[in-house]
Amino acid sequence: EDQVTQSPEALRLQEGESSSLNCSYTVSGLRGLFWYRQDPGKGPEFLFTLYSAGEEKEKERLKATLTKKESFLHITAPKPEDSATYLCAVQALSFSGGYNKLIFGAGTRLAVHP
Amino acid sequence: DGGITQSPKYLFRKEGQNVTLSCEQNLNHDAMYWYRQDPGQGLRLIYYSQIVNDFQKGDIAEGYSVSREKKESFPLTVTSAQKNPTAFYLCASSPYLGESNYGYTFGSGTRLTVV
Repeated sequence: EDQVTQSPEALRLQEGESSSLNCSYTVSGLRGLFWYRQDPGKGPEFLFTLYSAGEEKEKERLKATLTKKESFLHITAPKPEDSATYLCAVQALSFSGGYNKLIFGAGTRLAVHP
Repeated sequence: DGGITQSPKYLFRKEGQNVTLSCEQNLNHDAMYWYRQDPGQGLRLIYYSQIVNDFQKGDIAEGYSVSREKKESFPLTVTSAQKNPTAFYLCASSPYLGESNYGYTFGSGTRLTVV
């Protein structure tokens, strides 16, 4: 069964304290892995798409990496405005010819304190 | 600016009542999706549509219905058959079904509460 697991569920950091969020996945065929940011009471906002092991993407203080079994979202010197829930999603290949749907993890709630 | 508009932001439903959540997009996207978000769980797909007058059940379609009469609009009805409707509902779109190079675009959500 296709599955996405994110850890930790919640993370509290001091401003400037770098850390990483993990997304591990089990899928029969990976088409792409996606990271989103979600603020309270809002819809998810797209951050990155990764397609193959070894790929990396960066945006400001965020860097996403991908291996064959997991992805990491590295946050360097975070600021309070980076506080949000970070969602990981995997697009699995549909071998039956159907829709390649997204499978979402439950997210990591990040709180960055001054 | 292009985007997705969901309304209302908050909705209260009485037992046995049907309610409809609105989703409108001006991105000229063919594909639209409805997700449900519950605390501690990932987003779960309710229904999706790849083109006008066509829609398919997702993983948790029981107790929900949709229509796609216009490209821009994809309303979701939560029927009385849905026994646990309290959740945060998200509408999303993409240029075509499953295309996500730049991610799906999400609306700001509707929080539905049973009273």
